[in-house]
Amino acid sequence: NAGVTQTPKFRVLKTGQSMTLLCAQDMNHEYMYWYRQDPGMGLRLIHYSVGEGTTAKGEVPDGYNVSRLKKQNFLLGLESAAPSQTSVYFCASRPTGGNTEAFFGQGTRLTVV
Amino acid sequence: AQSVTQPDIHITVSEGASLELRCNYSYGATPYLFWYVQSPGQGLQLLLKYFSGDTLVQGIKGFEAEFKRSQSSFNLRKPSVHWSDAAEYFCAVGARRSGNTPLVFGKGTRLSVIA
Repeated sequence: NAGVTQTPKFRVLKTGQSMTLLCAQDMNHEYMYWYRQDPGMGLRLIHYSVGEGTTAKGEVPDGYNVSRLKKQNFLLGLESAAPSQTSVYFCASRPTGGNTEAFFGQGTRLTVV
Repeated sequence: AQSVTQPDIHITVSEGASLELRCNYSYGATPYLFWYVQSPGQGLQLLLKYFSGDTLVQGIKGFEAEFKRSQSSFNLRKPSVHWSDAAEYFCAVGARRSGNTPLVFGKGTRLSVIA
């Protein structure tokens, strides 16, 4: 059981380039999330999805887009990367219901130069 | 909306000493509460969770946490710290009233363990 898998694990981008981060989960979870982690800032929610075909903005959505075309996949896109988007990105999934835990991927370390 | 405060950014303890990491939450009702641990270069792993019932919950790796409604706290404890416990610890709160509301995380507490 792979759980939550993030691709790629590392990436270096030049300012203005675009890229897509892929998150895949094999636990049939309804909810999926993208967080970014920066020193001293903890985990900040970028976008999330409560089901296939639905997405919503989180705390820091600017500069990112997402899509959830399939239940098991949640894509995070950067259309024009900026140095401020240098961060570690984590994807998580969670079953329905408030009393459920989130399961995290291993993270993607992105550097924008 | 719920929120979480972890007052301590960095704590250093000696191996074998006891540990307490603080977590305070803000929410209009009894929340769902979680503690996660993140080892360097890794994702987050659930240590323990509180949903209801006994306010003292046991988790993995010898950790426990106590929910105190009167203090809006959910502090994490371990009686004897091992060097392998050095990591970052995150407290998170979930909304009881709305199941699809994302978990909100604190900023984390980094634990260093010295010999």
